[in-house]
Amino acid sequence: AQKVTQAQTEISVVEKEDVTLDCVYETRDTTYYLFWYKQPPSGELVFLIRRNSFDEQNEISGRYSWNFQKSTSSFNFTITASQVVDSAVYFCALSEVSGGSNYKLTFGKGTLLTVNP
Amino acid sequence: EAQVTQNPRYLITVTGKKLTVTCSQNMNHEYMSWYRQDPGLGLRQIYYSMNVEVTDKGDVPEGYKVSRKEKRNFPLILESPSPNQTSLYFCASSPISPRRGSIQYFGAGTRLSVL
Repeated sequence: AQKVTQAQTEISVVEKEDVTLDCVYETRDTTYYLFWYKQPPSGELVFLIRRNSFDEQNEISGRYSWNFQKSTSSFNFTITASQVVDSAVYFCALSEVSGGSNYKLTFGKGTLLTVNP
Repeated sequence: EAQVTQNPRYLITVTGKKLTVTCSQNMNHEYMSWYRQDPGLGLRQIYYSMNVEVTDKGDVPEGYKVSRKEKRNFPLILESPSPNQTSLYFCASSPISPRRGSIQYFGAGTRLSVL
């Protein structure tokens, strides 16, 4: 069965610090997709990135970067030079291509990131 | 503007009073889904729909109903709400099934309190 673990429930940093949010997943599929979503205090869910299991290239988008390592089943998210506006709950999610009867995203429980000025 | 619209955004009701949360998308997406978000539990899928008239249960369907009579609409129905259905609800849609890696777009959420 698919599972996503975000072991860090809450992280607090000071502005301009770098911070890494961990995501570990479990799946029996060889083909799957990984996602990160951001939920700011206003409550909506905002898509950040999608990765498929065949693409292990790291991705950088501005201050955001993602490290995908199949060998450790991890898809970690780093924010460089954090800002107060980065304060949010961040969710990692998994979708299996041949997931039996599952037609959904399986979410981790989320990591609350607080960036203090 | 492409969006998923949920209504109402906030709702307080009493036990047993039937309610419907509406969800509408303007992107001609085939797939729609409902999730609930609870503290410490993340998001869990309630029901999903692969297309018009095709719906199926997710992980936590008890106490909920859905229908998909039109492609754009996917209402969530609580026939007899109970306090354990107090939660934050999200509707999502995507062009095709998430199994193909389709990005899901979420509505702004509906915060429901059942007293």
